Amino acid sequence: DQQVKQNSPSLSVQEGRISILNCDYTNSMFDYFLWYKKYPAEGPTFLISISSIKDKNEDGRFTVFLNKSAKHLSLHIVPSQPGDSAVYFCAASLNSGNTPLVFGKGTRLSVIA
Amino acid sequence: EPEVTQTPSHQVTQMGQEVILRCVPISNHLYFYWYRQILGQKVEFLVSFYNNEISEKSEIFDDQFSVERPDGSNFTLKIRSTKLEDSAMYFCASSPWTRGTTDTQYFGPGTRLTVL
Repeated sequence: DQQVKQNSPSLSVQEGRISILNCDYTNSMFDYFLWYKKYPAEGPTFLISISSIKDKNEDGRFTVFLNKSAKHLSLHIVPSQPGDSAVYFCAASLNSGNTPLVFGKGTRLSVIA
Repeated sequence: EPEVTQTPSHQVTQMGQEVILRCVPISNHLYFYWYRQILGQKVEFLVSFYNNEISEKSEIFDDQFSVERPDGSNFTLKIRSTKLEDSAMYFCASSPWTRGTTDTQYFGPGTRLTVL
């Protein structure tokens, strides 16, 4: 049961360029989406979120885009930095957050200097 | 910046033994969660806890599991009789629960449980 899918297990990007991480979901009832970053031996760190009433949310170098009709969201990192190298998880929830998060499998981003 | 803390960072136990994983959520948060990640798999929800009772639980959270908030700061996950397949990273999370708005869950660093 893969309600949240991240189809790219890994991505390599040159420093300074844009990183685009993608996520698809199947449950149209999801109304809140989050991106977490995870370093080895650490817990997921919250990056950015978006509510289903919006199609874009921006925070510094990070922008999340939501396309509800396609059930697709993406995380853009511009410019990418070596410190951004980590595993990025997409997560979704019902009822705006205080319900179980459903995670994707993650995408490992490597930013090459 | 406030953060969720978890102890121990690594717990090794024998199959059939009881383990207690401990978490200190962010102090003004009201919702608490346990998730786990088996090596190579997704992060999976186990249980959520609000107002001193379980709010939701997954199929994984069977009778071998229990949660407790024994005092004003700690939140614990107990596994009564561990099995080999309980080996995983266990993450605690908390969220503030703000009525009428979206809430973000903040995660601790995790406890690696190894069952031998």
